[in-house]
Amino acid sequence: EDKVVQSPLSLVVHEGDTVTLNCSYEVTNFRSLLWYKQEKKAPTFLFMLTSSGIEKKSGRLSSILDKKELFSILNITATQTGDSAIYLCAVEPEYGNKLVFGAGTILRVKS
Amino acid sequence: GAGVSQSPSNKVTEKGKDVELRCDPISGHTALYWYRQSLGQGLEFLIYFQGNSAPDKSGLPSDRFSAERTGGSVSTLTIQRTQQEDSAVYLCASSLGGTLYQNIQYFGAGTRLSVL
Repeated sequence: EDKVVQSPLSLVVHEGDTVTLNCSYEVTNFRSLLWYKQEKKAPTFLFMLTSSGIEKKSGRLSSILDKKELFSILNITATQTGDSAIYLCAVEPEYGNKLVFGAGTILRVKS
Repeated sequence: GAGVSQSPSNKVTEKGKDVELRCDPISGHTALYWYRQSLGQGLEFLIYFQGNSAPDKSGLPSDRFSAERTGGSVSTLTIQRTQQEDSAVYLCASSLGGTLYQNIQYFGAGTRLSVL
């Protein structure tokens, strides 16, 4: 059964800290790994990763994939209170287009 | 529309009643997905529509759940004889459908269903 595990489940940091969120996966086939940010209800797309070792970057957020060790990390530098959200990791198996999601990491950034 | 639109945003119903949840995908997106998010859990796949192909219903938890997509656009998720364990946020997503980046799914704000 395809599975995605995220860690930590939750964490609290202070503004300006750097955080690293982890995502490991087990899938029969692999097409891509995606990161989403969920603040209120709608998850918003952050990154899609398909190749190992190539960092994707957007402002203070960056992500990288390791297809050999089957994990990805999402880094957020100089955190702000607006980064407080649930961060979801999902894998797209090759055979279908449905996403398999992890339970998410709840990030709270204190001012 | 600019994004995926879902209605209602909140629905409270009594156990045993039927409910209908609506999703209006991004214009031009051929693929549409329904997920369910229970408290403290990740999103659980329910059903997937792609163009005129038969839908992938493999995630529907029971025969009380059904969905249709009319005219390749708007979709309705129906839950019959609701149970308390159906309480969750029901999220809809759409994508262009295709390869890699065309398959990025964009989500609506969801419908929070509470079954009393």
